Amino acid sequence: AQSVAQPEDQVNVAEGNPLTVKCTYSVSGNPYLFWYVQYPNRGLQFLLKYITGDNLVKGSYGFEAEFNKSQTSFHLKKPSALVSDSALYFCAVRDRDNNNDMRFGAGTRLTVKP
Amino acid sequence: DTEVTQTPKHLVMGMTNKKSLKCEQHMGHRAMYWYKQKAKKPPELMFVYSYEKLSINESVPSRFSPECPNSSLLNLHLHALQPEDSALYLCASSQEEHKETQYFGPGTRLLVL
Repeated sequence: AQSVAQPEDQVNVAEGNPLTVKCTYSVSGNPYLFWYVQYPNRGLQFLLKYITGDNLVKGSYGFEAEFNKSQTSFHLKKPSALVSDSALYFCAVRDRDNNNDMRFGAGTRLTVKP
Repeated sequence: DTEVTQTPKHLVMGMTNKKSLKCEQHMGHRAMYWYKQKAKKPPELMFVYSYEKLSINESVPSRFSPECPNSSLLNLHLHALQPEDSALYLCASSQEEHKETQYFGPGTRLLVL
């Protein structure tokens, strides 16, 4: 079985400060890991993914995430937050060795204050 | 181009109505998905089509009926829905099932009265 945990329902940061949105995962095989962002009344937008290779993945809008196999984590980061980054963020995992479908975390609401 | 389109954007229907949601992609993807998303919750997988054949049905009630007329189109037919079916319905596609990134449409906001 595969699962994803996003331990924080809500993250608040000030504009210009670094932000981190946490994600940990559990798979029996090797993971594909994804981050999506959802703005109000919109679908999910793909931000970045880890498939293989470098543990630090760079994505859209200045976001990056670091795959840490020993800690089974894939935290989303950005060096300097913008008010426009305020949205709902979902981490997702797929077990690439077992051909399972993607599972989403519960989501983290990011609020960036001016 | 990573665009998935969905129509309509909003839909209000009564419990005796029949309606359909439509999804279209022109990325040459061979896997298409329907998800249901309640407010402030993650998307829940409903159906997966792979090469125009139903691959996964996640124990969805029969009042939801998917259809894949061709490799670019995916429909979700709705009949005799319940108020608890009100949600955002998201369509997604990927190059193949179980592989690579899923790209999502903007969703259809459904309200069942």
